[in-house]
Amino acid sequence: DQQVKQNSPSLSVQEGRISILNCDYTNSMFDYFLWYKKYPAEGPTFLISISSIKDKNEDGRFTVFLNKSAKHLSLHIVPSQPGDSAVYFCAASADGSEKLVFGKGTKLTVNP
Amino acid sequence: DSGVTQTPKHLITATGQRVTLRCSPRSGDLSVYWYQQSLDQGLQFLIQYYNGEERAKGNILERFSAQQFPDLHSELNLSSLELGDSALYFCASSVSAGVTYEQYFGPGTRLTVT
Repeated sequence: DQQVKQNSPSLSVQEGRISILNCDYTNSMFDYFLWYKKYPAEGPTFLISISSIKDKNEDGRFTVFLNKSAKHLSLHIVPSQPGDSAVYFCAASADGSEKLVFGKGTKLTVNP
Repeated sequence: DSGVTQTPKHLITATGQRVTLRCSPRSGDLSVYWYQQSLDQGLQFLIQYYNGEERAKGNILERFSAQQFPDLHSELNLSSLELGDSALYFCASSVSAGVTYEQYFGPGTRLTVT
């Protein structure tokens, strides 16, 4: 039973445009969400996080939106750059637990 | 560079064998986590140690065990290896425990069981 789902295995966008990566979750106990980026042959790198008491968190070109009623979050990258091409993982935790539950990832390709 | 180191980078071994993966956390981090990433799968949480003590367990097989030493480095031991154990194994560390903090990942160890 997959509690964190990233239904799009891949996404391709043009440089300068917006990239929107989506993530759905089923466990209503999740209260903290994180996005990680992973390049080939490297470990995941933390990107941005959001607590369930917020509905938006912004850090430079990256914004995460949380819709608790829909159990949905999204990562917006504006403007997209070729260096953003990577696999993006959504992760969640419940009740302050450090146990992260990851989605399977979405491979983003930003074309010059 | 996350500051988390893992050795070895690659490991090829045969079924039935036992291997040990090693992880050194970022300086000052007390928590160490182990994850497994199989083909086409997300990262699966295996186990967490905090300051030498086991803190949380995930979907870790009985054939697998881990420990964290006084210098805070950690080892993941995999025994009676099966073909299905072939995967990327990541170690991550974070500063504390009890609150969700960002975890910083090492580059991983790619295990191939033949």
